[in-house]
Amino acid sequence: SQTIHQWPATLVQPVGSPLSLECTVEGTSNPNLYWYRQAAGRGLQLLFYSIGIDQISSEVPQNLSASRPQDRQFILSSKKLLLSDSGFYLCAWKVHPSTDTQYFGPGTRLTVL
Amino acid sequence: EDKVVQSPLSLVVHEGDTVTLNCSYEVTNFRSLLWYKQEKKAPTFLFMLTSSGIEKKSGRLSSILDKKELFSILNITATQTGDSAIYLCAASSGNTPLVFGKGTRLSVIA
Repeated sequence: SQTIHQWPATLVQPVGSPLSLECTVEGTSNPNLYWYRQAAGRGLQLLFYSIGIDQISSEVPQNLSASRPQDRQFILSSKKLLLSDSGFYLCAWKVHPSTDTQYFGPGTRLTVL
Repeated sequence: EDKVVQSPLSLVVHEGDTVTLNCSYEVTNFRSLLWYKQEKKAPTFLFMLTSSGIEKKSGRLSSILDKKELFSILNITATQTGDSAIYLCAASSGNTPLVFGKGTRLSVIA
């Protein structure tokens, strides 16, 4: 069966520090992968999505970047965190572009102080 | 621009009540409508609807899609405190990312 992992589960970082969040999917190949952010009390904001290795689409220009170095690995990074980067970061996947059901990973709760 | 609008944004009910959550959409090349439940963690998938008028049911939850009027409803009967969550609706057009609504926050009080 397919599973999705994210780590770390929680993170507290100072303003200006770098960030690296990792997401991996097991039990499938060539999934579509997504990074979302959910600020406190707000909806899901799509940040990046990827349809394949090194194929990244950015939805919102900001100080975050994403990479997909391997088929089932999706990484979210920042060189310098801002206070406004605090939130709940969710990785999601779907098996194939022709399918619609998308599944979410457990999420990383990031607090920037 | 594609959009999904959910209403109400928040709702407080008593245990045992029946609730109806609404989701309207305007999405180019619409293909399906999805519902998710989010408690204090990641959203979990509830239903995917692709055809008008066909109810999907899981226990006390049910959902239906109207492709002519471009909306869906999620019904929860005999609500319990464990139903307290944010309910998210999303529309799919296939190859592009899902378009999510802002969610309905449901609080069920004993």
